[in-house]
Amino acid sequence: EPEVTQTPSHQVTQMGQEVILRCVPISNHLYFYWYRQILGQKVEFLVSFYNNEISEKSEIFDDQFSVERPDGSNFTLKIRSTKLEDSAMYFCASSEMETQYFGPGTRLLVL
Amino acid sequence: QKEVEQDPGPLSVPEGAIVSLNCTYSNSAFQYFMWYRQYSRKGPELLMYTYSSGNKEDGRFTAQVDKSSKYISLFIRDSQPSDSATYLCAMSESAGRRALTFGSGTRLQVQP
Repeated sequence: EPEVTQTPSHQVTQMGQEVILRCVPISNHLYFYWYRQILGQKVEFLVSFYNNEISEKSEIFDDQFSVERPDGSNFTLKIRSTKLEDSAMYFCASSEMETQYFGPGTRLLVL
Repeated sequence: QKEVEQDPGPLSVPEGAIVSLNCTYSNSAFQYFMWYRQYSRKGPELLMYTYSSGNKEDGRFTAQVDKSSKYISLFIRDSQPSDSATYLCAMSESAGRRALTFGSGTRLQVQP
């Protein structure tokens, strides 16, 4: 069964460093998303992406964040200058229509 | 008022019990409703998807949506220890606006 994959599974970085989280969505899906989940809190929407542009973003997704589909298979989330409060689980999701399928997540720890 | 409210549990039931999980919401624009299962430190796994009001059944799982009451439910029949997980409700507005708004999740423990 097709699934969303994410790399790395864990990333530790120093505050102020740039990180890039990578995702391979399900191959025939057209919509891509990033969500995050701070430990013990709700899953929160960050951004959705369709047809090579952002279609929607939340208040969390400020100028420190960017997304890109650098080729036909990968979808990336970049955090330019990480803060302690960026420590969270980051989930990529993809959908063909309304139902979104999530990857296993990248656990980001900012020290 | 929170946009989506969900009892965090934990909910502990014996194996074979019928489980009822619920969410309430305040945004009347929500039209698409999903239930996800999340095991510890894993990604949400889609269980059920319903559009607008009504019931949907899939094996041991039944999802109900009552838009007039802004209330959704997930029933699990013949619960198994492997059903022990956190159950997340999620919802979205029109097809063009796809951001999912999640509940906080209900932790379920099924005792053998």
